Amino acid sequence: GESVGLHLPTLSVQEGDNSIINCAYSNSASDYFIWYKQESGKGPQFIIDIRSNMDKRQGQRVTVLLNKTVKHLSLQIAATQPGDSAVYFCAEKRGGADGLTFGKGTHLIIQP
Amino acid sequence: ETGVTQTPRHLVMGMTNKKSLKCEQHLGHNAMYWYKQSAKKPLELMFVYSLEERVENNSVPSRFSPECPNSSHLFLHLHTLQPEDSALYLCASSQTGRYGYTFGSGTRLTVV
Repeated sequence: GESVGLHLPTLSVQEGDNSIINCAYSNSASDYFIWYKQESGKGPQFIIDIRSNMDKRQGQRVTVLLNKTVKHLSLQIAATQPGDSAVYFCAEKRGGADGLTFGKGTHLIIQP
Repeated sequence: ETGVTQTPRHLVMGMTNKKSLKCEQHLGHNAMYWYKQSAKKPLELMFVYSLEERVENNSVPSRFSPECPNSSHLFLHLHTLQPEDSALYLCASSQTGRYGYTFGSGTRLTVV
């Protein structure tokens, strides 16, 4: 079965609020994690990544947190905008493997 | 455009047909991937090519046959598919030893 999963299939937030999307993984050998955003009719788009030797990384309006103790990954989006509406996936890369393993995704809905 | 181009964008085929999906990357990457995305399921890694050699095949049925003639092109040959094979097929590329993965927009396949 999958080792990367998300806690909520759908997350609804008010425009302007901060969003937090969570992901749990089970493979301790995973050394790299990525968050992707997928809009309707498009392929997954890279948002931010983090290596296992880090616990936090910031981008523009986004922050990824990694807690290796509990095998938890989160994506924080500041001041959520209508354009943030999409399905968000976390993915892990396991050691020497080349492919990524994805979770099921969280659909982020922005309410005006 | 992300630098990874997939054609066709949409494909409808009968169960006795033979068709091919094409992926082309313009990023200078040396690894390419096929993923299957079905509704309500995580992205599933199908095939991995690194330096034009297949390095991973995740128990994919033989009715799916990949081909990687060079580092810029990847094909997925389809024959005698089943209705449950209907899905979005995504191609991705990366540079071995580096961590960025770039996806195409996918081919929406419907098997009738």
